Amino acid sequence: EVQLLESGGGLVQPGGSLRLSCAASGFTFSSYAMNWIRQAPGKGLEWVSGISASGAITYYADSVKGRFTISRDNSKSTVYLQMNSLGAEDTAVYYCAKRETGLWYFDYWGQGTLVTVSS
Amino acid sequence: QTVVTQEPSFSVSPGGTVTLTCGLSSGSVSTSYYPSWYQQTPGQAPRMLIYNTNTRSSGVPDRFSGSILGNRAALTITGAQADDESDYYCGLYMGSGISVFGGGTKLTVL
Repeated sequence: EVQLLESGGGLVQPGGSLRLSCAASGFTFSSYAMNWIRQAPGKGLEWVSGISASGAITYYADSVKGRFTISRDNSKSTVYLQMNSLGAEDTAVYYCAKRETGLWYFDYWGQGTLVTVSS
Repeated sequence: QTVVTQEPSFSVSPGGTVTLTCGLSSGSVSTSYYPSWYQQTPGQAPRMLIYNTNTRSSGVPDRFSGSILGNRAALTITGAQADDESDYYCGLYMGSGISVFGGGTKLTVL
């Protein structure tokens, strides 16, 4: 059974940093691209970032480019999202999601971790 | 910047048929955008229903179907049930590894 478990969310002050983790199990992690998708309270989904199966290629939404960094450790079956220079607009539930390499849909999602940016 | 558009809300009677759509603020949606559809109930993570325009995900009832209607992607629910009351999001691939979601449609079954 595919499982994705996010952690690392919490309350952070504006301008601060946070690192999210997503531990995967139930599939060959190193064969799949991974993504982060967020949802602000009461709002819709926003794709944030993606990383190829090997980790060699990364993608970012314009809203986070230059502030967020996605990475992965295939030996630990874990994907990370380093978030810097956080603002109130980054307050959201952050989901990690699995994507088939070369295909453009998200077939499994974690339960999410809440990031709140507030003073 | 291209925006993905969806109807904010829709209502359907139990047993009825409803079609939700997904368009672009500029241009037409085609299979080249690899449309996918996700269902989300309050407090839960999204669940994929449809990918690559019209392929149902494993375990998804066949009352859900996807298509291209005119210049938009479409999700049709035939024989709506009470537990289909959810938020529905479409996702489009915009190229260069970038995906964009629509704003979502809140479906009421009453």
